[in-house]
Amino acid sequence: QQQVKQSPQSLIVQKGGISIINCAYENTAFDYFPWYQQFPGKGPALLIAIRPDVSEKKEGRFTISFNKSAKQFSLHIMDSQPGDSATYFCAAREGTYKYIFGTGTRLKVLA
Amino acid sequence: DTGVSQDPRHKITKRGQNVTFRCDPISEHNRLYWYRQTLGQGPEFLTYFQNEAQLEKSRLLSDRFSAERPKGSFSTLEIQRTEQGDSAMYLCASSPSGTYGYTFGSGTRLTVV
Repeated sequence: QQQVKQSPQSLIVQKGGISIINCAYENTAFDYFPWYQQFPGKGPALLIAIRPDVSEKKEGRFTISFNKSAKQFSLHIMDSQPGDSATYFCAAREGTYKYIFGTGTRLKVLA
Repeated sequence: DTGVSQDPRHKITKRGQNVTFRCDPISEHNRLYWYRQTLGQGPEFLTYFQNEAQLEKSRLLSDRFSAERPKGSFSTLEIQRTEQGDSAMYLCASSPSGTYGYTFGSGTRLTVV
């Protein structure tokens, strides 16, 4: 049972373009939604996060859009750069400390 | 503060052998977590410690797995009688109480041959 569904599985974007990754969840008890960035051979690193009472959060080139009624949230990477090439995971917090992760999106930004 | 440190980075073992991994969390973080990540998948929760107490253990953690966190500092994850299905990246993370989000280590990649 996949509680957090992530799409697409992979994404290729030209330098300067917008990368969009989507996630959907079922459990309305989830109360915190982070995005993690993972480079090969490294652990995931927290990128940006949002709480369900906020519809949008922006940090630099990274924006989370959150639609509580649709139970969906997405990560937008503006002006995508080759250095953004990594695997991105959405996650949802269950309880007070445990996260359920999506299956990941492998992003490649072409120079 | 050098982040979450995991050792070893890579481990190749024969099926049936026992292996032990170590995690050193950020020193002021009292919460510690172990996750497992298989190829092409997101991390899956294994277990959680608050200080030295193990407060939750996932059903993914069979009887062959044991984790400890003596004195609420570093943690070890032991796998007994390893199986090929145990091959994965084992990630440790830590956080302070009352905050959101973790700091992950770089993981230990286990290959069982």
